[in-house]
Amino acid sequence: EVQLVESGGGLVQPGGSLRLSCAASGFTFSSYSMNWVRQAPGKGLEWVSYISSSSSTIYYADSVKGRFTISRDNAKNSLYLQMNSLRAEDTAVYYCARDYCSGGSCYTHSNSDWGQGTLVTVSS
Amino acid sequence: QSALTQPASVSGSPGQSITISCTGTSSDVGGYNYVSWYQQHPGKAPKLMIYEVSNRPSGVSNRFSGSKSGNTASLTISGLQAEDEADYYCSSYTSSSTLRVFGTGTKVTVL
Repeated sequence: EVQLVESGGGLVQPGGSLRLSCAASGFTFSSYSMNWVRQAPGKGLEWVSYISSSSSTIYYADSVKGRFTISRDNAKNSLYLQMNSLRAEDTAVYYCARDYCSGGSCYTHSNSDWGQGTLVTVSS
Repeated sequence: QSALTQPASVSGSPGQSITISCTGTSSDVGGYNYVSWYQQHPGKAPKLMIYEVSNRPSGVSNRFSGSKSGNTASLTISGLQAEDEADYYCSSYTSSSTLRVFGTGTKVTVL
């Protein structure tokens, strides 16, 4: 069974830093591209960042570019999001999500498996 | 990169069909067949319902179907059921520097 478990969320002051982790199990983590997607309280989904299976390709949303860094450790089956210079508008539940793969093909722009999310609150 | 535009709410009676629209531009929805749709129940993680405009992952009911015309993609739910009441989001690849964009979200209510 595919499992994605986020951790590392919490309360942080504006300007502070936080590192989120996503522990993956039940599949060959090193074969899948991964994403971070966030959802502010009562609001819609916002894509945050993408990393390819080998870490060779990385993308960020404009809203986090220069402040957030995505990374992964395939030996530890883990995905990370280093968040610096945090702002109130970064307050959200952060989900890690795996690209959808079926029948030997992977569909980079669709996510079939999601964690339960970890809440990040930026407030003084 | 602005969010794709969806109606805030759509409603229907059990057994009816409803359609949710998702409007973008030629840089995202209109330019590529990389539109996906997600269902999200309150307090839960999103669930993939449609990928690449019109394909259903295994396990998703065939009551859900997707299509696209120009810069607008659509999700149709036929034979509406109480369990379909949820928020629905579209998502698309975008040729801008940011790779992906989500829609504003649509709350589906089963009357």
